[in-house]
Amino acid sequence: GQQLNQSPQSMFIQEGEDVSMNCTSSSIFNTWLWYKQDPGEGPVLLIALYKAGELTSNGRLTAQFGITRKDSFLNISASIPSDVGIYFCAGQPPYNTDKLIFGTGTRLQVFP
Amino acid sequence: NAGVTQTPKFRVLKTGQSMTLLCAQDMNHEYMYWYRQDPGMGLRLIHYSVGEGTTAKGEVPDGYNVSRLKKQNFLLGLESAAPSQTSVYFCASSKEVEGIQPQHFGDGTRLSIL
Repeated sequence: GQQLNQSPQSMFIQEGEDVSMNCTSSSIFNTWLWYKQDPGEGPVLLIALYKAGELTSNGRLTAQFGITRKDSFLNISASIPSDVGIYFCAGQPPYNTDKLIFGTGTRLQVFP
Repeated sequence: NAGVTQTPKFRVLKTGQSMTLLCAQDMNHEYMYWYRQDPGMGLRLIHYSVGEGTTAKGEVPDGYNVSRLKKQNFLLGLESAAPSQTSVYFCASSKEVEGIQPQHFGDGTRLSIL
């Protein structure tokens, strides 16, 4: 089935640094979503992107829907310890708008 | 403000045993989903439902069955548990808004099959 390649798999950064991660696919998506998962909890929606080229911010988070509709990027500025967790991208495929395809996740560790 | 509630939170089974995982949502969402999460593999869709009385297969449906008898509940059943089904199971729900479906997740059920 359709897959999303998410990179990097893991990141170890110092508090205050900026973070970038991305998600790519060989196929197009209608919608891109970014989720964060804290240990022992379910994923929580961070940002939703609905149109190619769209750039959306949520506090220190900024995400973009790639113009080709095959990729998306998430940036976190001035990281803080509570940013620790696993970040997942998810895309809504055009052939079945009832479901999402999830990436494999980027594990972020922030050191003080 | 419950949102999506999953029960139980933890369970240990022996191979061959059966069990049912319950997901309940209080947001009047039409769509409900069951995922499994394994290390390094992200979230994989098992089954989903687009409304009461309907179910559909996801990516990895084998070994699982589901039922959606009430709009607010989505049950995931394992008829004969196998060690390969050891995983963390997440339920999610969403309300379609102009074709866009941000999903809301429960906190997961950690299932171990011995």
